[in-house]
Amino acid sequence: TQLLEQSPQFLSIQEGENLTVYCNSSSVFSSLQWYRQEPGEGPVLLVTVVTGGEVKKLKRLTFQFGDARKDSSLHITAAQPGDTGLYLCAGAQYGNKLVFGAGTILRVKS
Amino acid sequence: DAGITQSPRHKVTETGTPVTLRCHQTENHRYMYWYRQDPGHGLRLIHYSYGVKDTDKGEVSDGYSVSRSKTEDFLLTLESATSSQTSVYFCAISESPRDEQYFGPGTRLTVT
Repeated sequence: TQLLEQSPQFLSIQEGENLTVYCNSSSVFSSLQWYRQEPGEGPVLLVTVVTGGEVKKLKRLTFQFGDARKDSSLHITAAQPGDTGLYLCAGAQYGNKLVFGAGTILRVKS
Repeated sequence: DAGITQSPRHKVTETGTPVTLRCHQTENHRYMYWYRQDPGHGLRLIHYSYGVKDTDKGEVSDGYSVSRSKTEDFLLTLESATSSQTSVYFCAISESPRDEQYFGPGTRLTVT
């Protein structure tokens, strides 16, 4: 059982559509990170959210940290083929290491 | 980009042979990690290090050992490779355990 559950596992959409990826847990995290990984490469950090209820925007990507700091979401507006990749969430528990979710594979078709 | 390299990038080996993967960083980060990545499992921590000669187990440490004799190098050894260890292995570094992790390019290991 994963400490962090990501959904959906796989998403295939057309260019221009919107989408949301979810990262859920029954545990509380001091912060939560979102990474994106392209084929053949290592994950790269997109954003870190720290405060419950926090919303961060990165161009067409909007990240939200739940009020109770147990969940997070990533919303992409008007997806583009360049958004294709594996999206990973990772939670930091107080004093402990990061734990990663299993990831969401996103494919955006042109 | 953080200065982190992995070698080799690809390796095919036979069951029962020893294998060592190397991770090298030029960032002087204290923490170094070894993960394996398999479909449906995301990144699973094998071992990590919090300083020279200071290492600890992760969630999937059986069959793996590590060593860190210098700040910049973190070695992962499979003493006797098995087919279940076929995977993509990533090294990562960070300044503290809850900070952003910087990942290497990965090593694809196939055990036949």
